Amino acid sequence: GAVVSQHPSRVICKSGTSVKIECRSLDFQATTMFWYRQFPKQSLMLMATSNEGSKATYEQGVEKDKFLINHASLTLSTLTVTSAHPEDSSFYICSASLWDYNEQFFGPGTRLTVL
Amino acid sequence: QKEVEQNSGPLSVPEGAIASLNCTYSDRGSQSFFWYRQYSGKSPELIMSIYSNGDKEDGRFTAQLNKASQYVSLLIRDSQPSDSATYLCAVNGAGSYQLTFGKGTKLSVIP
Repeated sequence: GAVVSQHPSRVICKSGTSVKIECRSLDFQATTMFWYRQFPKQSLMLMATSNEGSKATYEQGVEKDKFLINHASLTLSTLTVTSAHPEDSSFYICSASLWDYNEQFFGPGTRLTVL
Repeated sequence: QKEVEQNSGPLSVPEGAIASLNCTYSDRGSQSFFWYRQYSGKSPELIMSIYSNGDKEDGRFTAQLNKASQYVSLLIRDSQPSDSATYLCAVNGAGSYQLTFGKGTKLSVIP
């Protein structure tokens, strides 16, 4: 199956710092990548949809200046949480999909804790 | 607004029994349907996809789709304790890359 990696798996940072999370499709070229956030005991919330070489499309209520997404290649997308605050602490998960298929394959997730 | 509804559970079944998970969706134009399994603290894992009416079997898993009733289900035969997880139903519509997820059903398989 398609493999998606995410790095780092866990990060703890101080309030006000920025954190970058990488998402890579390892064995396929992903035309579209997605970024989700999941708070404890809640379902996945889509934050943004990212296509290679173009600006990300953010969901309503997600601040694009706070959550910077770069999709530089067909195998790499990054999410930068700028000026992180404790309320940004969450489980961030990326996924990637193939052009001809609708299946999304998820990365293992990044658990962010902002102190 | 597109909605995907699932019974939150928990659904408890004894080991070896059949677990039946259900999902309904609001967007009649939906084209693709997926079941993901999510263990606590982990990311979702795709276990089944189904695109046309009827049944699709993969090992112990069977997905069933009825577009007229806007209903999709997942059956797990010979349930094992390792099947204990939250099962997410996901749907996307025509021409859309985005998935709409249900809130998930928590399944507990009792040894």
